[in-house]
Amino acid sequence: DGGITQSPKYLFRKEGQNVTLSCEQNLNHDAMYWYRQDPGQGLRLIYYSQIVNDFQKGDIAEGYSVSREKKESFPLTVTSAQKNPTAFYLCASSTQASNQPQHFGDGTRLSIL
Amino acid sequence: QKEVEQDPGPLSVPEGAIVSLNCTYSNSAFQYFMWYRQYSRKGPELLMYTYSSGNKEDGRFTAQVDKSSKYISLFIRDSQPSDSATYLCAMSVDSNYQLIWGAGTKLIIKP
Repeated sequence: DGGITQSPKYLFRKEGQNVTLSCEQNLNHDAMYWYRQDPGQGLRLIYYSQIVNDFQKGDIAEGYSVSREKKESFPLTVTSAQKNPTAFYLCASSTQASNQPQHFGDGTRLSIL
Repeated sequence: QKEVEQDPGPLSVPEGAIVSLNCTYSNSAFQYFMWYRQYSRKGPELLMYTYSSGNKEDGRFTAQVDKSSKYISLFIRDSQPSDSATYLCAMSVDSNYQLIWGAGTKLIIKP
C-alpha cells in the first residue's frame, strides 16, 4: 500500500540536543511538507519541498532544518535553537498539480526531557 | 484576526443526528477548500475537496462553499460514533503549497 511513514512515533529531546524526524513516502509525490500542530491551533507550515534538492521556508522555519536528497525522503531536524519544540509534527506529500490535495503521515510527538 | 476561523468545540451530538461543521475566512482570493478528519494521535485524512463555490456530496458527507459569505460547511448525515474526531478545514489561493488551516472542531457522537 502506498503511503507516508513517519518515525519514530514518540521522541524525547534533551536540552541542547538536535533530533531528526524521519518522513518517507512511496506515493511518487514530488512535493513534501512539514507541519507543526499545537493544541488549539491550526497546522503551521515549517518547510516544504517541491522537488529534490530544493526546499523553502514556511511560516515557522526558525530552529528547524530539512534536506531533500531523495524524492522519497524529507527528514526534519529540530535544532537546539528551537526553544519550544514540544508539539505534534506532521509530514505530508502531494503531486505537483495544484488541484491535488496533501496526504499525511501519522505524526511524531516530540517532548522535552 | 485569523485568516480562517473555526469553533474548537467540542460539539457533542447523539448518534444519527445531522452534524454541521463550519469555517469562516477573510481572504476572498481563496479558491480551493478542503475538509480533513483527524483521529487522536493520527495524521489528518482528506474527506472533501472542492474548488470555488457550490456543493459536493460523497456518501454521508456534503461540503458546501459560499464564497459571497466567506463561509464553508461540512454536513454529516446519520452520524456514527466512528465519526467522533477533530475536523479541520483548510484552504488555499491558487495551489496546494500554502494551505491555511483552521484550528479544528472536536466532534463527539454519543451512542
